[in-house]
Amino acid sequence: DAGVIQSPRHEVTEMGQEVTLRCKPISGHNSLFWYRQTMMRGLELLIYFNNNVPIDDSGMPEDRFSAKMPNASFSTLKIQPSEPRDSAVYFCASSRDYTDTQYFGPGTRLTVL
Amino acid sequence: KNEVEQSPQNLTAQEGEFITINCSYSVGISALHWLQQHPGGGIVSLFMLSSGKKKHGRLIATINIQEKHSSLHITASHPRDSAVYICAATEKLVFGKGTKLTVNP
Repeated sequence: DAGVIQSPRHEVTEMGQEVTLRCKPISGHNSLFWYRQTMMRGLELLIYFNNNVPIDDSGMPEDRFSAKMPNASFSTLKIQPSEPRDSAVYFCASSRDYTDTQYFGPGTRLTVL
Repeated sequence: KNEVEQSPQNLTAQEGEFITINCSYSVGISALHWLQQHPGGGIVSLFMLSSGKKKHGRLIATINIQEKHSSLHITASHPRDSAVYICAATEKLVFGKGTKLTVNP
């Protein structure tokens, strides 16, 4: 298996622009997680899905952030409009179920100017 | 006070030393995760445990549910063990700030 795939690996955009991050989980995994990592706050859970359904989105910072999982093999995290404080590395991870070992993607480094 | 506390924040060791990283949590958990983040940024899950002890190669993780404490041990440390080690507590995934380990040859 190719592991968790994220795209793009790097994204540089200007404040106010829409940003879409993409994730393909490992086939057969039922849980998908989106994380954000910054120097100040470390790793934070943004949202997780189980069987394509959002279960806990309490970590999503505000209405500018939205996440979808239209099918078992694809998820998106969208920021609209983006702000400089959104600059971070965004990781996607998947696991067989919520309490199982998670496999992380390589991350997307987002820079908002 | 953070719900998950790690200590130490930074740790420097000489190759071959025995290393211990600690994690204390105040939240209810169903499992505790130990993650390793390489200098290049990639994250690997090392252990997930809810009781007792787990061992993988030179790495050992223990957890004491009553004391709400977990430790990650590395025996015969090697420079390639240099990384940031992060613990995370579930039910609600809450992460520690990480321990940066540097092992010098």
